[in-house]
Amino acid sequence: GAGVSQSPSNKVTEKGKDVELRCDPISGHTALYWYRQSLGQGLEFLIYFQGNSAPDKSGLPSDRFSAERTGGSVSTLTIQRTQQEDSAVYLCASRDLYQETQYFGPGTRLLVL
Amino acid sequence: DQQVKQNSPSLSVQEGRISILNCDYTNSMFDYFLWYKKYPAEGPTFLISISSIKDKNEDGRFTVFLNKSAKHLSLHIVPSQPGDSAVYFCAASEAGGSYIPTFGRGTSLIVHP
Repeated sequence: GAGVSQSPSNKVTEKGKDVELRCDPISGHTALYWYRQSLGQGLEFLIYFQGNSAPDKSGLPSDRFSAERTGGSVSTLTIQRTQQEDSAVYLCASRDLYQETQYFGPGTRLLVL
Repeated sequence: DQQVKQNSPSLSVQEGRISILNCDYTNSMFDYFLWYKKYPAEGPTFLISISSIKDKNEDGRFTVFLNKSAKHLSLHIVPSQPGDSAVYFCAASEAGGSYIPTFGRGTSLIVHP
């Protein structure tokens, strides 16, 4: 079975541009998470989707960041007007409702020049 | 304010010896703990977990110990193998909540042949 996939695997953009990062979770997983890992840092929680409930956006660092999850499956993380400090690896993870283990995708490496 | 701390950014061990990775936490509401392993350019993968009702969980060469009174857990790898070289993340969460784990910054383990 397929794991969590993310695209693109790498993204280089110019400061001020918008970027969209995509996550395809494991089929049937109702929970989906976005994290960010900056150089030398741990995994920073960004946003959490669970089924049809309102997402937990408490980790989003600014209003330039937003995320959607369509049809309870694919999710898109959008960063508007990117800044150099947004450069990081953006990781997506999904989880079965009745388990605690998260399954991570390979990440998208974002570089803002 | 880091609620999950991995105070050793790196650890070097000889093949065949024991690797001990440590993790401390401050939130007494945490009751479920996980270790993830991450290779370069890949997402973290689940390794082993422990619930607060236990003080030890073993899976092959990997054992996690939990000392609730000290708010400390450790991951033991015996015997260490070169393929164990990776970054290890400790994570903690509160059961019954939204299962948003808090991650440490990771410890980079290098196992020398």
